[in-house]
Amino acid sequence: AQTVTQSQPEMSVQEAETVTLSCTYDTSENNYYLFWYKQPPSRQMILVIRQEAYKQQNATENRFSVNFQKAAKSFSLKISDSQLGDTAMYFCASSGGGNQFYFGTGTSLTVIP
Amino acid sequence: GAVVSQHPSRVICKSGTSVKIECRSLDFQATTMFWYRQFPKQSLMLMATSNEGSKATYEQGVEKDKFLINHASLTLSTLTVTSAHPEDSSFYICSASSSGTGRSYEQYFGPGTRLTVT
Repeated sequence: AQTVTQSQPEMSVQEAETVTLSCTYDTSENNYYLFWYKQPPSRQMILVIRQEAYKQQNATENRFSVNFQKAAKSFSLKISDSQLGDTAMYFCASSGGGNQFYFGTGTSLTVIP
Repeated sequence: GAVVSQHPSRVICKSGTSVKIECRSLDFQATTMFWYRQFPKQSLMLMATSNEGSKATYEQGVEKDKFLINHASLTLSTLTVTSAHPEDSSFYICSASSSGTGRSYEQYFGPGTRLTVT
């Protein structure tokens, strides 16, 4: 089984600033994938970024980037130039072996104007 | 691409009745569909996994006779909450994955269904 841990239940950031959300995971799989999902008040799950574990290069999607530390089993999300629309719940997830997802408990991010 | 819809988005039913939630993959064939339940301010809890044409695999603690899942086609899965009670009130989310997209490890999520049992 896999476990995903998000140790920050709530965070806030000033608009235009940078914030980092933490995530650690544990897996016995050799090949696996890591994801960050955003869930705004509408509750639609939106994929923010994905990382394939066999790729050493950190994934980047516009203002979103990850710091993937495979040995430490750490997968943090950095949001640059935070915008009001970034206010949401953020879930870290892993999948591997089968295609079942393992979700963290989430981090509620508030962007302050 | 990879759009998943759910219907209805909201439903209110009386205690003791049954309610069906549909999950459709609109532009791809979903070989596997997942059903989650989410309580307020909590994470997604996997209820069951279903493969097209096969019986669903339920997670421990989920009553399969209460939460009936049917994955009859490659584009449709249904979750029926039977004899609903107020404690079944929750937000239900489906997702789908496909071995045909080249990214079988990825799940595409529906918008969710809010069920309220009175």
